[in-house]
Amino acid sequence: AAGVIQSPRHLIKEKRETATLKCYPIPRHDTVYWYQQGPGQDPQFLISFYEKMQSDKGSIPDRFSAQQFSDYHSELNMSSLELGDSALYFCASSLGRGFNIQYFGAGTRLSVL
Amino acid sequence: AQKVTQAQTEISVVEKEDVTLDCVYETRDTTYYLFWYKQPPSGELVFLIRRNSFDEQNEISGRYSWNFQKSTSSFNFTITASQVVDSAVYFCALSRPRAGANSKLTFGKGITLSVRP
Repeated sequence: AAGVIQSPRHLIKEKRETATLKCYPIPRHDTVYWYQQGPGQDPQFLISFYEKMQSDKGSIPDRFSAQQFSDYHSELNMSSLELGDSALYFCASSLGRGFNIQYFGAGTRLSVL
Repeated sequence: AQKVTQAQTEISVVEKEDVTLDCVYETRDTTYYLFWYKQPPSGELVFLIRRNSFDEQNEISGRYSWNFQKSTSSFNFTITASQVVDSAVYFCALSRPRAGANSKLTFGKGITLSVRP
């Protein structure tokens, strides 16, 4: 079965650069979530979308923005990168809102040097 | 506010031993869902189970079993006859209803399980 696809899997950037992470949800899934997992930490919710509209926002820095496109894929844009942004970024998708199971992608490991 | 506590940070067992991973949660909601996810060394998060707040029936899936007790706000996970492939970080998570919004997951800090041959 098709899973959540995230690209790239690894990304190395310098401070103050920008990065774009992409997420392709499971086919027919209309809801996307982004989480950030720092080293040795639990995943922290950043932002979510339902039917291409932003649905909820967590502790996402103003330097980050995201959107969900008409084909339901989502992109997380990160600008003015800082060392502290180095983390594993997960995208998850679900069918509909509520308590539906969130299926996670393999993550994008971002390293800011 | 909701919170998930996984007091055990690291557990090491020898293969074939049984091991229980503890999860205690806090929420004021009467309707909520609890989850367990596995994060193997490769890094991905793998869904294991979802349980709603109205279903206290224990569940067994192969070597895995879950014990949900609302009276103690616990949702513990037991692996029977552990195997080396069970070595991973295990996260317990909580989701609560939000009107007009998606139900984000609140994770515990995770438990690192090492199964030695």
